Amino acid sequence: NAGVTQTPKFRILKIGQSMTLQCTQDMNHNYMYWYRQDPGMGLKLIYYSVGAGITDKGEVPNGYNVSRSTTEDFPLRLELAAPSQTSVYFCASSFGQLETQYFGPGTRLLVL
Amino acid sequence: EDQVTQSPEALRLQEGESSSLNCSYTVSGLRGLFWYRQDPGKGPEFLFTLYSAGEEKEKERLKATLTKKESFLHITAPKPEDSATYLCAVQAKTGGFKTIFGAGTRLFVKA
Repeated sequence: NAGVTQTPKFRILKIGQSMTLQCTQDMNHNYMYWYRQDPGMGLKLIYYSVGAGITDKGEVPNGYNVSRSTTEDFPLRLELAAPSQTSVYFCASSFGQLETQYFGPGTRLLVL
Repeated sequence: EDQVTQSPEALRLQEGESSSLNCSYTVSGLRGLFWYRQDPGKGPEFLFTLYSAGEEKEKERLKATLTKKESFLHITAPKPEDSATYLCAVQAKTGGFKTIFGAGTRLFVKA
């Protein structure tokens, strides 16, 4: 099992550009999550999904969108990138709500 | 407001010098408390889940304990390979589905 994979590993965006961060898991987990981690701060939940076709907002959803068309994939879309979105983005998955969350290696995003 | 505070922010130990990391939490009903380890440039890696006060879990040199207001991660005779950031997170029973993470404790163990 590859676990949770994320692409790209690193990206530089100009202000106003858009991009999609990819996340795939091969553990047949129902729950998937997107977090951002800023230096010296804890992880903040952006969006989560409890199954294909079902998504909901987390703590910091503004400026982002998600979709979940399959169990395996949970892409995160950034529209009109802003410097405040410079961060490290982690995707995670779990079998259930209180189950262990397995994290991907992260995508480092720099918006200039 | 649900909140998680970890202390200290950073901890430097000599190899073999035991110590504890603290995670204080304020939530409206605790569903579970999680400890993760994060190495530089990598995603968090699960260590423990604790559900109720008085519960303890152990894994190698690590032992996690839980009270009604805080959790401790005890590190016994640490080795340099234990150097990492340790994250604490909680899930509350109310306020919808949400996992709240603390800022973490950076542990440095010197040989």
